[in-house]
Amino acid sequence: GAGVSQSPRYKVAKRGRDVALRCDSISGHVTLYWYRQTLGQGSEVLTYSQSDAQRDKSGRPSGRFSAERPERSVSTLKIQRTEQGDSAVYLCASNLLNRDNQPQHFGDGTRLSIL
Amino acid sequence: GENVEQHPSTLSVQEGDSAVIKCTYSDSASNYFPWYKQELGKRPQLIIDIRSNVGEKKDQRIAVTLNKTAKHFSLHITETQPEDSAVYFCAARDDKIIFGKGTRLHILP
Repeated sequence: GAGVSQSPRYKVAKRGRDVALRCDSISGHVTLYWYRQTLGQGSEVLTYSQSDAQRDKSGRPSGRFSAERPERSVSTLKIQRTEQGDSAVYLCASNLLNRDNQPQHFGDGTRLSIL
Repeated sequence: GENVEQHPSTLSVQEGDSAVIKCTYSDSASNYFPWYKQELGKRPQLIIDIRSNVGEKKDQRIAVTLNKTAKHFSLHITETQPEDSAVYFCAARDDKIIFGKGTRLHILP
């Protein structure tokens, strides 16, 4: 069946520009996470949301990271005023419910390079 | 805040030997502990998980142990093979999931 898909697979942007990354999660999944993955820091949670409610846990004090969920199975991660340190792989993952102890299903990720 | 510590960050093991990766967590309410394997350029894949009412779980060459009192859990891979080379992530979850920073496992020929 269809899994979690992310687009684009690769994104190059100039520093200072805003970028948007898309995630199509699995139909019926309620909880959706965005992670940033770098070599030194492993996987860091950026935001997560349950159903239509947005629980933003930005790892960046400037709050440049936000996620929108226009449909239950679609999420867009927006990064404003990108910095070179934002270069990383951004992973999206979803699961049925956070409290039902079900594993997360990951997308292939978007590799973002900020020039 | 909640935290998951994972050690070691890099591990090299001779093919056929065992590998052990250890994690500790801070949130005592965590009740679900998955392990993911991520090969280069690929998405993380769940390889085994354990719930807080179980102390040990085994699936062929992979086993996970959980000590809730000490708040630590470990991944054990026996009879390692070249295809076991990857980055392994532990995680702990109550309300939200927290990942360790990963262990890069190298299986040496």
